[in-house]
Amino acid sequence: DVKVTQSSRYLVKRTGEKVFLECVQDMDHENMFWYRQDPGLGLRLIYFSYDVKMKEKGDIPEGYSVSREKKERFSLILESASTNQTSMYLCASFLAGDNEQFFGPGTRLTVL
Amino acid sequence: RKEVEQDPGPFNVPEGATVAFNCTYSNSASQSFFWYRQDCRKEPKLLMSVYSSGNEDGRFTAQLNRASQYISLLIRDSKLSDSATYLCVIGFSGSARQLTFGSGTQLTVLP
Repeated sequence: DVKVTQSSRYLVKRTGEKVFLECVQDMDHENMFWYRQDPGLGLRLIYFSYDVKMKEKGDIPEGYSVSREKKERFSLILESASTNQTSMYLCASFLAGDNEQFFGPGTRLTVL
Repeated sequence: RKEVEQDPGPFNVPEGATVAFNCTYSNSASQSFFWYRQDCRKEPKLLMSVYSSGNEDGRFTAQLNRASQYISLLIRDSKLSDSATYLCVIGFSGSARQLTFGSGTQLTVLP
């Protein structure tokens, strides 16, 4: 079974703090994604990566950056957290040539 | 116009009922189609792919209408355990960003 894990299930941070969200997958997938999910808006793609050290902006990259130093790990960074970044953050991965994305359990981030 | 549109619901149906969801997409170049299921406070998981000829998996039937640019999901003989949010997902072959998600349709099956 593919396993995608995220570093925290719940996180509370203050405005202006730097926040790191980590995602690890154990199935040697090339492609990894970060989404945020908000009521009524569905999943929106923040950034994705198709290889180590490669990254591409998704639909809503502003206020975020990412790091992919190792194939199994994809980190999302909020340089200076703001209240409008309060959301559920979901990491996903998939194997090239396959269709199914496998998701991590999500991190519910609250920025006060 | 959103790329992928779904009726958010909620759909509240009695056990045993048949319920259908539709989803429309705007990009005619879309090449792959899926339904994902998301339980409350859980991550989305693939329910089924949708093929051009339509496909069935037990009580679930998925159909694609390319001319009208919509996909549908039919659930027969609803169970309490079918209660979840159903996400319509559209993909583009060869695109690394792969998938665009609808905002989901919430289903509650009542005893």
